[in-house]
Order: sequence, then structure tokens, then C-alpha cells
Amino acid sequence: SQQGEEDPQALSIQEGENATMNCSYKTSINNLQWYRQNSGRGLVHLILIRSNEREKHSGRLRVTLDTSKKSSSLLITASRAADTASYFCATDGVTGGGNKLTFGTGTQLKVEL
Amino acid sequence: DAGVTQSPTHLIKTRGQQVTLRCSPISGHKSVSWYQQVLGQGPQFIFQYYEKEERGRGNFPDRFSARQFPNYSSELNVNALLLGDSALYLCASSLVRLANYGYTFGSGTRLTVV
Repeated sequence: SQQGEEDPQALSIQEGENATMNCSYKTSINNLQWYRQNSGRGLVHLILIRSNEREKHSGRLRVTLDTSKKSSSLLITASRAADTASYFCATDGVTGGGNKLTFGTGTQLKVEL
Repeated sequence: DAGVTQSPTHLIKTRGQQVTLRCSPISGHKSVSWYQQVLGQGPQFIFQYYEKEERGRGNFPDRFSARQFPNYSSELNVNALLLGDSALYLCASSLVRLANYGYTFGSGTRLTVV
């Protein structure tokens, strides 16, 4: 079963704009990770935020985590056409043994020129 | 360095047949995990193998099995294929058993059951 849901399911923006996608999850976590998937192929790890962190940056990516609301957001600034992909959040649950990820349903991002 | 390699990239099988998917992790990585991704959904955890032992199993029937070899490569076997087994099968590699540093995924094997 999926851990949670991502919102929106699909997002279309113009190049140069910022893209924000949200993730909600259901159980207590050790960490939350974001992955990108191009055209239904392999997943690329983008960023990991631990349960005791509230915000993290990596290049044009900014991730926030609110464990009280069981939610996270991924912000991509100054988007490019190459950012067009599906984005998934994945949680490493406290009760999951620490060795598996539970993925959300994904957000399809389209960045238009 | 090569990334995570999976073979084959595409596969078409008939209902009732058996299939074997292969994965080679990044050199030095001892953990291999398998995930199933049905079209339009996020990946779902099937197995984790670490140091050649099964360390975790998702909610999949016994038709699914896997193993890890001394060189840390892995095979996923699915018996008595059903139409619902059609999916992208992803292999993930990591240095450690725990998921707290993120995974490196292969490009996947797309299995179509007809």
C-alpha cells in the first residue's frame, strides 16, 4: 500500500517559474526522501531530510518537513524543461525495520518552454 | 563506475509462465532491494537482501522469490505469472542495510504479461 499521497497529481508550469509539490504520509518516520523519475524509468535520489530536521536545501531544491502534520513539500526554483518528470516522496518508517521505503503516488511535473 | 544494472530491460511473458529478473548493484554495495511499480502508482517494496540474507519482505505472494549471490548481485523470480504482475521492476542498491542514506536505483525491467 502507498504511504501517502502527493499533491497535486499533475503540475504544468513555464520555464523559470517555481514548482511546489506536497506529500502527506501516515506513520512516524525516520526520514523522508524525494526521488525523480523520467519517462517511467529508474528513480533518481534527490534529497533526504531526517525527522529532526525542518528544512534542507540542495542546489535549486528546497525541502521542508512538518512531522506534526505528517507532511513535506519540495520546491524546485527557476524550473527548466529538463525538470519535466514525475516526483515521488518516500518515507523510511519507524516501524518498517529501517530497510524499506514506502512511496507516495507521485506528482507529474511538466515544464514548458 | 557503473551504476545499478538490470537485465533485461523489457520482457513479454504469457500468463502462467515464470520469469527471472537480474540486478547488479554498485560495486561495494551489499544491499539490494526490489520494488514493483505498476503504471500510474509509486513503487512498492518487494524484498531486501543484505549480505546474502533476506532482511525484509513486502506484502507480495509466495510466487515472488529472490536471492542474492556472493558477488551481491541478485535475482527476482516470479512464478505463475498473472496479468496483474505487469509492471516496472526496480532494483535499488545501497552500501548499508538501512534506508537512511537513500538508494541508487537501476533503470528497471518492464515486464508485460499477456
